[in-house]
Amino acid sequence: EVELVESGGGLVKPGGSLRLSCSASGFTFSTYSMNWVRQAPGKGLEWVSSISSSSSFIYYADSVKGRFTISRDNTKNSLYLQMNSLRVEDTAVYFCASGRGAYYDSSYWGQGTLVTVSS
Amino acid sequence: EIVLTQSPGTLSLSPGERATLSCRASQSVSSNFLAWYQQKPGQAPRLLIYGASSRATGIPDRFSGSGSGTDFTLTISRLEPEDSAVYYCQQYGSSPRVFGQGTKVEIK
Repeated sequence: EVELVESGGGLVKPGGSLRLSCSASGFTFSTYSMNWVRQAPGKGLEWVSSISSSSSFIYYADSVKGRFTISRDNTKNSLYLQMNSLRVEDTAVYFCASGRGAYYDSSYWGQGTLVTVSS
Repeated sequence: EIVLTQSPGTLSLSPGERATLSCRASQSVSSNFLAWYQQKPGQAPRLLIYGASSRATGIPDRFSGSGSGTDFTLTISRLEPEDSAVYYCQQYGSSPRVFGQGTKVEIK
């Protein structure tokens, strides 16, 4: 059974940093693209970033470019999102989601981790 | 950047009725890489449709997707109470892989 478990969320002050992790199991992690998607309280889904299976291709939303860094460790079946220079508007539940092989639609999702940016 | 516009904002229908949700793109979606997701309150989204018309694993056949280019449709042929949710479309053919703003389906 596919399982994605996010961790690392919490309360941080504006300008601070946080590193999210996503632990994957139940599928061959190293052959799947991965995505981060966020959802602000009461709002819709916002795509944040994607990474190809070998980390050769990386993409970011303009709203996080230059502040967030996506990475993965295929030896640990883990996906990461390093978030720097956090802003109040980054407050959201952050979901980790697996692509469908090389494709970037999100076939499986974690339950999300809440990031709150507030002074 | 592609902009996805979903309509209507809210759909209120009775069990057994047909629901038709629209997703319109501001420019052609590459290779019709258009997905639909269902999200219930407090839950993560669930993939329903990928490639505009292919059902994801385990999705009931009352859900179907159609369309190409800039106009896409999700149809729920016979609504059931558990279909009450917000439905999002997403294009994943190019970056940024934007989502539509969502359509809320309410069951009377």
